[in-house]
Amino acid sequence: GAGVSQSPSNKVTEKGKDVELRCDPISGHTALYWYRQSLGQGLEFLIYFQGNSAPDKSGLPSDRFSAERTGGSVSTLTIQRTQQEDSAVYLCASSFTGVSPLHFGNGTRLTVT
Amino acid sequence: AQKITQTQPGMFVQEKEAVTLDCTYDTSDQSYGLFWYKQPSSGEMIFLIYQGSYDEQNATEGRYSLNFQKARKSANLVISASQLGDSAMYFCAVYNFNKFYFGSGTKLNVKP
Repeated sequence: GAGVSQSPSNKVTEKGKDVELRCDPISGHTALYWYRQSLGQGLEFLIYFQGNSAPDKSGLPSDRFSAERTGGSVSTLTIQRTQQEDSAVYLCASSFTGVSPLHFGNGTRLTVT
Repeated sequence: AQKITQTQPGMFVQEKEAVTLDCTYDTSDQSYGLFWYKQPSSGEMIFLIYQGSYDEQNATEGRYSLNFQKARKSANLVISASQLGDSAMYFCAVYNFNKFYFGSGTKLNVKP
């Protein structure tokens, strides 16, 4: 079966532009997470979905960040008016409900110039 | 928020020797899950091993074992017979209150 798929794998954008990052989780996984990882650093939690609802948005750094999930499947993370400090790898992960391992995508490397 | 502490930012181990990577956490809940992930330089996150908070036996998966000490809130990863391919970042994670919390990671270098 296919794993978690993220697109694009790399994105270079100019400061001030909007970007959309896509995550296609493993079929049947109801939980979906977005994390951000700066170079050589740990994982920073952004947002968590259970089905289509987001019970925990506490990690979104500012109101420029938003995310949605439709059909209990694909999720989109949108960053408006990008800033250079947004440059990082954005990782998506999915799992079955409850205590089951996260399966990660390969990430989207975002560079804001 | 839960605090996951990995006190060893970097470690070296000789090939074929065993190594222990430390992880402590501070959850107040009694029910939680403990996970370890490996991140090679390629960037992918690879699930290694899981331990439930109510599991009495330490988890093992091949060369990986988890030294779980619940009273000390400690979940150390033991890698036996290190291989060059084990060189990577290792992250400890706790699942609690419907969320995964990650430590800052330990960079392991295996020397030939």
